[in-house]
Amino acid sequence: TQLLEQSPQFLSIQEGENLTVYCNSSSVFSSLQWYRQEPGEGPVLLVTVVTGGEVKKLKRLTFQFGDARKDSSLHITAAQTGDTGLYLCAGAWDRDDKIIFGKGTRLHILP
Amino acid sequence: DAGVIQSPRHEVTEMGQEVTLRCKPISGHNSLFWYRQTMMRGLELLIYFNNNVPIDDSGMPEDRFSAKMPNASFSTLKIQPSEPRDSAVYFCASTGLLRVEFFGPGTRLTVL
Repeated sequence: TQLLEQSPQFLSIQEGENLTVYCNSSSVFSSLQWYRQEPGEGPVLLVTVVTGGEVKKLKRLTFQFGDARKDSSLHITAAQTGDTGLYLCAGAWDRDDKIIFGKGTRLHILP
Repeated sequence: DAGVIQSPRHEVTEMGQEVTLRCKPISGHNSLFWYRQTMMRGLELLIYFNNNVPIDDSGMPEDRFSAKMPNASFSTLKIQPSEPRDSAVYFCASTGLLRVEFFGPGTRLTVL
């Protein structure tokens, strides 16, 4: 059973288009993180959201944490080929140091 | 800082052989995690240590897998004997007080 469900699994769109990917769970998390992973490398942290309803922006990327702290979304405006990669969400609780990852959304931006 | 260092980067071995993966965490980080990544199962947590002590090994698939952290700057993940289904990319990550996981580049293991 996957604790964090990410959708879609795969997404291929043209450069310049907008997109949103989702991370959903039945569990409540203390915080949620988004990572990007490129081929042959380890995941790299993009952002951490902590407060329900929180919105964080990182240039063309907008991250939102659901009010109930069970889900999150990542919106990319005017996608670029450099945005291509595997986007992973990860949930954490205050009770321990574990971070649980979703399977990821594999994003491919076409030139 | 060089970041998390893993070795080897690639390992090809035959079924039944012992495999040892190595990790050097970022200096000053007090937690270390071992993950396995496959297309089918994604990124799975195998085991994590806090201050060199194993805290949760519930993700270790079976007794063939073992992990040690003899000191704050070194950890190993051992598979003995290895099987073809162990083929995956194995990542080590470390965190400090801010709970941001810094990942190493991974070891791509192929068991023939």
